[in-house]
Amino acid sequence: AQSVTQLDSHVSVSEGTPVLLRCNYSSSYSPSLFWYVQHPNKGLQLLLKYTSAATLVKGINGFEAEFKKSETSFHLTKPSAHMSDAAEYFCVVSDAYNTDKLIFGTGTRLQVFP
Amino acid sequence: KAGVTQTPRYLIKTRGQQVTLSCSPISGHRSVSWYQQTPGQGLQFLFEYFSETQRNKGNFPGRFSGRQFSNSRSEMNVSTLELGDSALYLCASSFENRNNEQFFGPGTRLTVL
Repeated sequence: AQSVTQLDSHVSVSEGTPVLLRCNYSSSYSPSLFWYVQHPNKGLQLLLKYTSAATLVKGINGFEAEFKKSETSFHLTKPSAHMSDAAEYFCVVSDAYNTDKLIFGTGTRLQVFP
Repeated sequence: KAGVTQTPRYLIKTRGQQVTLSCSPISGHRSVSWYQQTPGQGLQFLFEYFSETQRNKGNFPGRFSGRQFSNSRSEMNVSTLELGDSALYLCASSFENRNNEQFFGPGTRLTVL
């Protein structure tokens, strides 16, 4: 069965410094992986997705993630944090048998300090 | 293009009651999925509808049900509400899913007293 593990429940950074949110996945098949962001009292927004094309995936708002099969990782990075990046981030894998079903990680809350 | 809309945004019910939540997908989208978000269990898949048919189902009891209409609008119903059903219920739509991007609505916050 597919699953994702987000290694940090909270990450705090200063504005202008790099962001790293870690995600490991477990999948018997070549997975489709996503990162979603949720701002307070708002719905989820797709940041980026990996579907077996390029291993380095660029998303919106300067975020990117690299698919590393040997490490079963899909970490999310951004070179320079902005105050508006403060939110909850979810690493997501789609179910191999029912690709319409998304399996969410437990989330990482990103705090950005001025 | 209007986004996914969910009504109502907030709802308070008491144990034993039933509730119906509504979701209007983005125009042209035929797939609608429902998720439950709680602090303890995180985000969990409830079910997905496509062309008025339930195509996928998560691991929730039969008290949770849904349907989809010919205009792709979807409703979910929870009967015999329990305290543990308090959650944010999110609806997502996509063109045909199958790894297409799912667009999420703002959610309905259900509180069961």
